[in-house]
Amino acid sequence: DVKVTQSSRYLVKRTGEKVFLECVQDMDHENMFWYRQDPGLGLRLIYFSYDVKMKEKGDIPEGYSVSREKKERFSLILESASTNQTSMYLCASRSPGKTEAFFGQGTRLTVV
Amino acid sequence: DQQVKQNSPSLSVQEGRISILNCDYTNSMFDYFLWYKKYPAEGPTFLISISSIKDKNEDGRFTVFLNKSAKHLSLHIVPSQPGDSAVYFCAATRAMIKAAGNKLTFGGGTRVLVKP
Repeated sequence: DVKVTQSSRYLVKRTGEKVFLECVQDMDHENMFWYRQDPGLGLRLIYFSYDVKMKEKGDIPEGYSVSREKKERFSLILESASTNQTSMYLCASRSPGKTEAFFGQGTRLTVV
Repeated sequence: DQQVKQNSPSLSVQEGRISILNCDYTNSMFDYFLWYKKYPAEGPTFLISISSIKDKNEDGRFTVFLNKSAKHLSLHIVPSQPGDSAVYFCAATRAMIKAAGNKLTFGGGTRVLVKP
C-alpha cells in the first residue's frame, strides 16, 4: 500500500520562527511536491523536486525553501514564519511518466 | 493566472440524484486530467482520470467527460451518496514530461454536500 507520511498533523509556531515540515514516501518515487491549500484558492504548488538534490520553484515559492537529500524525503522550510503562512500544507509524490500523485495526510500549520 | 478553474465553489444535491462538477482549463499543453476528493483534515485521494485522447472515462458511479475544443471537463456522480460529501479538485498535467513540466496544476475546488 502506497504511503506518504507527513511528520506532523498540527503545528503551532510563532512569527519569525524557522519551521521544518517533513515528508517521507515509501514508493521510490522520483517526483515530490509541496502544496498549500487555502479556502477558495485550491492547491497551490510551492516547490517540487524531480530527483534527489533537484528542485524547482512552483507558483508561490516566496518565503519557503526545500531540501531533498534522499529520494524518499522532501522537506519544506519556512525561513521566518509569518501569519500569512498559516495554511494546510500537503506533500505528494509521483513516479515520472505516471499521472496520479499520492498525497500525505496534510499538516495544519498555524503561525501566531 | 489560474490555468485550471472550478467556477462553482459549492454544490448541494439530494441523495440519489446526479452531481455534476465542472472544470475549465486554459493551457492547451495539458494532456491528462484528474479528479481528487478531499475530506477535512485528510490529504486528497485520487478519484478518476482521463487522457486527452479520450472524451469519456467511467468508473462505477463516477464518469469524467472531456471536451478538448472547449477546454472543459466535468465529473458526474450518479447516484450521489452522503459519503460523497467532500471537496473535489480538478487537476491537469502534461503526462509525458518527466522533469520540470511534470507537475499537477489544481483548480480551486468544489465543495459538494449530499443531503440524505
